[in-house]
Amino acid sequence: KQEVTQIPAALSVPEGENLVLNCSFTDSAIYNLQWFRQDPGKGLTSLLLIQSSQREQTSGRLNASLDKSSGRSTLYIAASQPGDSATYLCAGRLQGGSEKLVFGKGTKLTVNP
Amino acid sequence: DGGITQSPKYLFRKEGQNVTLSCEQNLNHDAMYWYRQDPGQGLRLIYYSQIVNDFQKGDIAEGYSVSREKKESFPLTVTSAQKNPTAFYLCASRLQGAPGYTFGSGTRLTVV
Repeated sequence: KQEVTQIPAALSVPEGENLVLNCSFTDSAIYNLQWFRQDPGKGLTSLLLIQSSQREQTSGRLNASLDKSSGRSTLYIAASQPGDSATYLCAGRLQGGSEKLVFGKGTKLTVNP
Repeated sequence: DGGITQSPKYLFRKEGQNVTLSCEQNLNHDAMYWYRQDPGQGLRLIYYSQIVNDFQKGDIAEGYSVSREKKESFPLTVTSAQKNPTAFYLCASRLQGAPGYTFGSGTRLTVV
């Protein structure tokens, strides 16, 4: 059974700092991994998706990596801004035609001005 | 703009009532999904549908029902059999063959 863990559960940083959010998964037979952002009371916004054949994806100040052998993904945020404050969720989809995304519980990020 | 519309944004249910949450997408996506989000827990899959007139149970389907009569619509009914329905419900969709999921803005259901 795939389990996804996100550490830390909460993170508070000063504006301008570079930071890393961690996501670990138990089953290396992962098809892809997707990072989402969720603002309070809102839906999920897709940030980056990494296929199992890829090592990383970049979008602006965001960079996500995937290491299947170690069961880890990281989301790197450069030069953090107060507008980056949100909960960040990672979700993995298993190989073999699974339709289910397995979610971590998220990391709540606060960027202080 | 293409996207997923969930309505209503807030919904209140009395004990013993059935309520239906709406999910409509104009992305021409094939598959649609319902997830439930509770504080301190990851999202959990309730039901999903890959084609019209067909749907599959997810991990927590008990007390819920769905229909898929049209490609763009996937309503979720929370029945009185669902003992703890207070939660945030999220609808998602995906184009068959494409890897990424698109989510709606959610419906917050509260039992009063």
